[in-house]
Amino acid sequence: DTAVSQTPKYLVTQMGNDKSIKCEQNLGHDTMYWYKQDSKKFLKIMFSYNNKELIINETVPNRFSPKSPDKAHLNLHINSLELGDSAVYFCASSQGLHDYGYTFGSGTRLTVV
Amino acid sequence: GDSVTQMEGPVTLSEEAFLTINCTYTATGYPSLFWYVQYPGEGLQLLLKATKADDKGSNKGFEATYRKETTSFHLEKGSVQVSDSAVYFCALRTPSGNTPLVFGKGTRLSVIA
Repeated sequence: DTAVSQTPKYLVTQMGNDKSIKCEQNLGHDTMYWYKQDSKKFLKIMFSYNNKELIINETVPNRFSPKSPDKAHLNLHINSLELGDSAVYFCASSQGLHDYGYTFGSGTRLTVV
Repeated sequence: GDSVTQMEGPVTLSEEAFLTINCTYTATGYPSLFWYVQYPGEGLQLLLKATKADDKGSNKGFEATYRKETTSFHLEKGSVQVSDSAVYFCALRTPSGNTPLVFGKGTRLSVIA
């Protein structure tokens, strides 16, 4: 059983398109996150949801819109894709307590051409 | 703000060599500290953690001790294997609300036979 699953694993698309990445966790965690990992492996928080409520929204272009239909799902929709959006996007979840780490999905490699 | 500084990589070692990857942090309060590992093409996995000063986290032969006086959490392993080749991330999380994990920039380790 996959704890945090993301789909798709790979996504190649043209500039200007709109695309979505889905994430689901079966751990019963309250909090979910999206991170972006650039080509140098640097990880940057994008969004965090706790019990379907947005609690962290870093300086991310408003072309990126997260949606959480329930606490087990956090999807990421991206409008008008740009070349600079090419990266690996990781979904993660946690208990919401600070002494717990995160459980990560296996990532979605987005390539914008 | 909170931050984590890791030694620059890449680090290349021969099998059975001793490994140290340095990590220092800046944080308000008393954060929990983590090491994550990312194998090629995969998501991040929690390797070990420590939640208070002088705690030692350990897993798979890796160890790290939470040193409050030096604000450090260096990762060590006595004898590395080729299968340890991966990117290692130091991270912290502070106990104020639903704060996200803050990651260092990652250190790539290559172990050669």
